[in-house]
Amino acid sequence: KNQVEQSPQSLIILEGKNCTLQCNYTVSPFSNLRWYKQDTGRGPVSLTIMTFSENTKSNGRYTATLDADTKQSSLHITASQLSDSASYICVVNLNTGGFKTIFGAGTRLFVKA
Amino acid sequence: DTAVSQTPKYLVTQMGNDKSIKCEQNLGHDTMYWYKQDSKKFLKIMFSYNNKELIINETVPNRFSPKSPDKAHLNLHINSLELGDSAVYFCASSSQGAERAFFGQGTRLTVV
Repeated sequence: KNQVEQSPQSLIILEGKNCTLQCNYTVSPFSNLRWYKQDTGRGPVSLTIMTFSENTKSNGRYTATLDADTKQSSLHITASQLSDSASYICVVNLNTGGFKTIFGAGTRLFVKA
Repeated sequence: DTAVSQTPKYLVTQMGNDKSIKCEQNLGHDTMYWYKQDSKKFLKIMFSYNNKELIINETVPNRFSPKSPDKAHLNLHINSLELGDSAVYFCASSSQGAERAFFGQGTRLTVV
């Protein structure tokens, strides 16, 4: 069964600290993996995309890693800011017909001053 | 210019009513989607549609139906609304093969 699991479910950190969000997937055939950021009351916005051959990709203070062998991805946020408070959703795309996108349930991040 | 726009942003209605949510994208994408986000913030895909194929999530009741008057629009019709339909509904679009979806701002539907 194709699944995407994220941990932790929620996380509270102090402004300026770093944090890492986890995503494990059991999806086949794998095409690519995206991390989305969803601010409260808004639609998700793509942060990074990684294909099978990519191990790491950065977007400013966001760095995503992918281990295709263990089927794990992480999103590392450096020097967190209050505006990083949001839900972070891991999305895996399949390379097949039908619905090609599997969403994780998201990690809710709270950054406090 | 808004890339993917939905209307209305908020919708409060009584059980048993029929309602529609409109979605328009000006990105020239050929695939559009509807998602439901429940109270636990979990996004679940409902429909995927391009001019060739409609894919329906089998868990979606047939009271929900997408209607596409043209390539830039995919409206969501809901018949006989139930309390459990209360959620935020997101429209999205993507270019076939690109797989990055651009999302609308969402429509918060409350059924009373």
